[in-house]
Amino acid sequence: SQTIHQWPATLVQPVGSPLSLECTVEGTSNPNLYWYRQAAGRGLQLLFYSVGIGQISSEVPQNLSASRPQDRQFILSSKKLLLSDSGFYLCAWSSRDRAPYEQYFGPGTRLTVT
Amino acid sequence: DQQVKQNSPSLSVQEGRISILNCDYTNSMFDYFLWYKKYPAEGPTFLISISSIKDKNEDGRFTVFLNKSAKHLSLHIVPSQPGDSAVYFCAARGRTSYDKVIFGPGTSLSVIP
Repeated sequence: SQTIHQWPATLVQPVGSPLSLECTVEGTSNPNLYWYRQAAGRGLQLLFYSVGIGQISSEVPQNLSASRPQDRQFILSSKKLLLSDSGFYLCAWSSRDRAPYEQYFGPGTRLTVT
Repeated sequence: DQQVKQNSPSLSVQEGRISILNCDYTNSMFDYFLWYKKYPAEGPTFLISISSIKDKNEDGRFTVFLNKSAKHLSLHIVPSQPGDSAVYFCAARGRTSYDKVIFGPGTSLSVIP
């Protein structure tokens, strides 16, 4: 069976510090990978998605970046965090084999920028 | 421009009754519609989907109805249980696995015992 891991679960970082969130998927190959953010009381905002190693599409121009160094690894980074980067970050994967290609989400990372 | 709308931010229903969550969309090119359920501090979980060529899909207590002419879909939960209390997201996507998924803002359902 497939599983998705995200870490850390919670993170408190000062403004201006760097960020690295990691997501890995097990039990599947060649998945589509996604990073979402949910601000307090808001919906899911798609930040990045990837259809393959090194292939990243950015949905929201901001101080975040993403990388996919391996097939089942997706990393969200920032060189300098802003207060507005606080939120709940979710990684997700979807298969390409069968419609409706539903997404499976990780447990999330609660980021608080102080 | 919000392509997927959930106009009710919250809904309260008595245990045992029917919960109806609504969703509207603007893009007639969507091919699949999906519902996700999310508890606080957890990732969303996939509930049920429907293809644009169908008008109903049922899975246990959950049924999704699609009205393409009105660009409207709804999720029915019967009977509602306290464990159904969560935020429900409607989502839509195109035909291929490369298409993005567009999420609505969510509806918070409270099932009152």
